Amino acid sequence: DTGVSQDPRHKITKRGQNVTFRCDPISEHNRLYWYRQTLGQGPEFLTYFQNEAQLEKSRLLSDRFSAERPKGSFSTLEIQRTEQGDSAMYLCASSLPPRLAGLHNEQFFGPGTRLTVL
Amino acid sequence: DAKTTQPNSMESNEEEPVHLPCNHSTISGTDYIHWYRQLPSQGPEYVIHGLTSNVNNRMASLAIAEDRKSSTLILHRATLRDAAVYYCILRSRQLTFGSGTQLTVLP
Repeated sequence: DTGVSQDPRHKITKRGQNVTFRCDPISEHNRLYWYRQTLGQGPEFLTYFQNEAQLEKSRLLSDRFSAERPKGSFSTLEIQRTEQGDSAMYLCASSLPPRLAGLHNEQFFGPGTRLTVL
Repeated sequence: DAKTTQPNSMESNEEEPVHLPCNHSTISGTDYIHWYRQLPSQGPEYVIHGLTSNVNNRMASLAIAEDRKSSTLILHRATLRDAAVYYCILRSRQLTFGSGTQLTVLP
């Protein structure tokens, strides 16, 4: 299967600890997105990359959050000094560049990383 | 951002058509209407999108009102595997998900 993969699938941590999640997009996709989803709600956009450049960040992405995509392939999302309110599913998605698949081409989502902060 | 309104939940019988409504009265001329669905314990999955004209693909059909203030996702023959949360999204830049419609398919 060559879909979007995320690691780990589950993470339990104590408040105040740092956590890092990894996303591997579909290989030819140059756009990569991070979302957060809390129970009973739809996903909320956090940030997106085009190749290695981080082009947009949501107001939801506080200073404790940082995302990187150093070589334009995989991406990491780090949360520093975790709080209980950070408990959520963190979803990654990727898409082809618009020049290949159109401006509104579909995003392909991974299975997510479920974070529980105790 | 323009918002969408969807029923919280709907039920359908297996092998019958399902019409999932979405209201978006504040839609702008550049907003595309996207539908994604999320099966239990999975990430969202693209279903269909359109701007003004009705659209068909292998998964579903999208019927868009002439004034674009509402749209309907049509699953022509629901199966148990179609049970999911269906999100109607107006996209100008990023995807902005609402709470969606939980579709239950009854055998």
